[in-house]
Amino acid sequence: GQQLNQSPQSMFIQEGEDVSMNCTSSSIFNTWLWYKQDPGEGPVLLIALYKAGELTSNGRLTAQFGITRKDSFLNISASIPSDVGIYFCAGQFGNEKLTFGTGTRLTIIP
Amino acid sequence: DTGVSQDPRHKITKRGQNVTFRCDPISEHNRLYWYRQTLGQGPEFLTYFQNEAQLEKSRLLSDRFSAERPKGSFSTLEIQRTEQGDSAMYLCASSLGTGRRGNTEAFFGQGTRLTVV
Repeated sequence: GQQLNQSPQSMFIQEGEDVSMNCTSSSIFNTWLWYKQDPGEGPVLLIALYKAGELTSNGRLTAQFGITRKDSFLNISASIPSDVGIYFCAGQFGNEKLTFGTGTRLTIIP
Repeated sequence: DTGVSQDPRHKITKRGQNVTFRCDPISEHNRLYWYRQTLGQGPEFLTYFQNEAQLEKSRLLSDRFSAERPKGSFSTLEIQRTEQGDSAMYLCASSLGTGRRGNTEAFFGQGTRLTVV
């Protein structure tokens, strides 16, 4: 099935650093969602975006809905150990199914 | 716990056997999704229900796969004559599904890890 392109595929950072990742699609969406997944668990919803250009924060997380409606960005400020995991973007058109990205694996180096 | 519940969490089966997974969505959520996730990949869509109606099936859902949601509440996913390629995490999600802002957000269960040996 189709998967959205996420970049970077993996990140190795030190605690306290800021993180940026993005997601691109060949199709437009009218909802973008960001999830975090820990090993052996289901994805957990972090942030939802509903309007082109929208910027939404959830604590240290900030996400943006791209103006073209074909991309989205997630930033994490001042990373902490519990931020480790895999981050997935997901796009949705109307009330249809979610289409997921390929994931960005975040590792924090001691 | 009022989240999405999946059972079992893990299943090991021999090739050729049938398996059935259950998903209990968040109460009052009308929409229910099934996804499959293999190692290193994002979740891939299999099928979804609006109440008891199955609205869309992915081409990933071969004839050996069948999903039901008979009363619009819990759902089951059955895989017949399992193959090693069926080994994956099977994820269920639910949403209110009304199309209003916020109501399409999907919440996932913990998944069922299937291993076919």
